[in-house]
Amino acid sequence: GAVVSQHPSRVICKSGTSVKIECRSLDFQATTMFWYRQFPKKSLMLMATSNEGSKATYEQGVEKDKFLINHASLTLSTLTVTSAHPEDSSFYICSATNYRDISNTIYFGEGSWLTVV
Amino acid sequence: QKEVEQNSGPLSVPEGAIASLNCTYSDRGSQSFFWYRQYSGKSPELIMFIYSNGDKEDGRFTAQLNKASQYVSLLIRDSQPSDSATYLCAVTDTGNTPLVFGKGTRLSVIA
Repeated sequence: GAVVSQHPSRVICKSGTSVKIECRSLDFQATTMFWYRQFPKKSLMLMATSNEGSKATYEQGVEKDKFLINHASLTLSTLTVTSAHPEDSSFYICSATNYRDISNTIYFGEGSWLTVV
Repeated sequence: QKEVEQNSGPLSVPEGAIASLNCTYSDRGSQSFFWYRQYSGKSPELIMFIYSNGDKEDGRFTAQLNKASQYVSLLIRDSQPSDSATYLCAVTDTGNTPLVFGKGTRLSVIA
């Protein structure tokens, strides 16, 4: 199967600082990547859809100025949590689809645990 | 609004038994159907996908799809304690639209 890599897997930052999370498709080109957030024991929540070369589409209730998404190439999307606060502490997961795969299978990265102190 | 429904569980089965996980979806335009397994604190991992009516088998796993009933299921034969996890059903109409996830069913396989 296709491989999606996220970095860092864990990060701790101080309140008020910004944190960048990278999502890479290692062996395929991904025109579309998705960013999810998951709080402990809760369901996955879609934050935004990231399209290569264009602006991300954010889900209702997700602040686009706080969660900056850049998808500058077919293999890399980044999520930057700006002015992070403790309530932003969560598990952030990206996923990507190989546009050449007719099954439309979506593969997940390993996830990134963010702790804001 | 597109919805995917799953029983939250927990579903408890003895080791060696068949675990049956069910899922219904609301959007008749859905084309691809996925089952993911998520261990606590980890990212979802793909188990199977199916997009044609009928059964699809892969090892101990069988996915079943009935588009007329808008129903997808996953059977796990010879369940093992290592199968204990949350199983997420997800559907999409195209690869460029987000997956719509169910809330997941927690499976517990008891040794």
